[in-house]
Amino acid sequence: DIQMTQSPSSLSASVGDRVTITCRASQSISSWLAWYQQKPGKAPKLLIYKASTLESGVPLRFSGSGSGTEFTLTISSLQPDDFATYYCQQYNSYWTFGQGTKVEIK
Amino acid sequence: EVHLVESGGGLVKPGGSLRLSCAASGFTFSYYSMNWVRQAPGKGLEWVSSIRDSSDYIYYADSVKGRFTISRDNAKNSLYLQMNSLRAEDTAVYYCARDRPGGFDSWGQGTLVTVSS
Repeated sequence: DIQMTQSPSSLSASVGDRVTITCRASQSISSWLAWYQQKPGKAPKLLIYKASTLESGVPLRFSGSGSGTEFTLTISSLQPDDFATYYCQQYNSYWTFGQGTKVEIK
Repeated sequence: EVHLVESGGGLVKPGGSLRLSCAASGFTFSYYSMNWVRQAPGKGLEWVSSIRDSSDYIYYADSVKGRFTISRDNAKNSLYLQMNSLRAEDTAVYYCARDRPGGFDSWGQGTLVTVSS
C-alpha cells in the first residue's frame, strides 16, 4: 500500500503570507496526486489534480508541483477564506489520503 | 449542477448492519466511477471503497474488506454501501464522491454513522 505523509501537520500564518505544504509518497506515484481543501463541517473540495492542474474555479493563488514521491501545494498570498485543512491524495494505486495539514490564523 | 445526497446513517450497535445510499443528479451517473470516503470525528479522510461505472471493478480498503459491500444502480442514479459487522472504529461521516477521474471532483454532504452500544 502507498502511504502519504504531509508536513507540517499544522501551521499558523497571516493573511498575505506565502504558505507551502509538502506531501511525500512512500513510492513513486508519477503525477497522480490531488489536493483538497476542507472546512469544518463541510465536504472536501478538489483544488488540484495531476499534481499541478488547477481545478476549474479555484483561485490562481493556489498551485501544485512535484512528481514521483515529493509534492507541494503553495498558496502564494493567504486569504481569509483559505484557513482550512488541506489533504493530498494519491490515485496511482487505489486511493490514499495524507493525514492533513491545518492552516490556522496567526 | 452535480448533486450527491447521502442517506441512511444513524446509530447502530457493534456487530450490527447499516445500508447507506447516495442519490446522484445533474450528471450522467453511469459514466463515472464512484467512491465512499469516511472521516472519523476529528480525524482525516479515509478512502473506503470504489466502484467502476459498469460495476465491473470494485475495490475496498483493507479496513472494511469482507464487511462492507459497495454497489450501484445506474437506472436509479444511486450508489450504495452495505455495512455489516460494524465496529466502534467505523464511526464516521461517510461521503460519496465522484471520480472524474483525476481526483474526486464532487462530494455529498455526508451522513453520520455512529457505532455504539
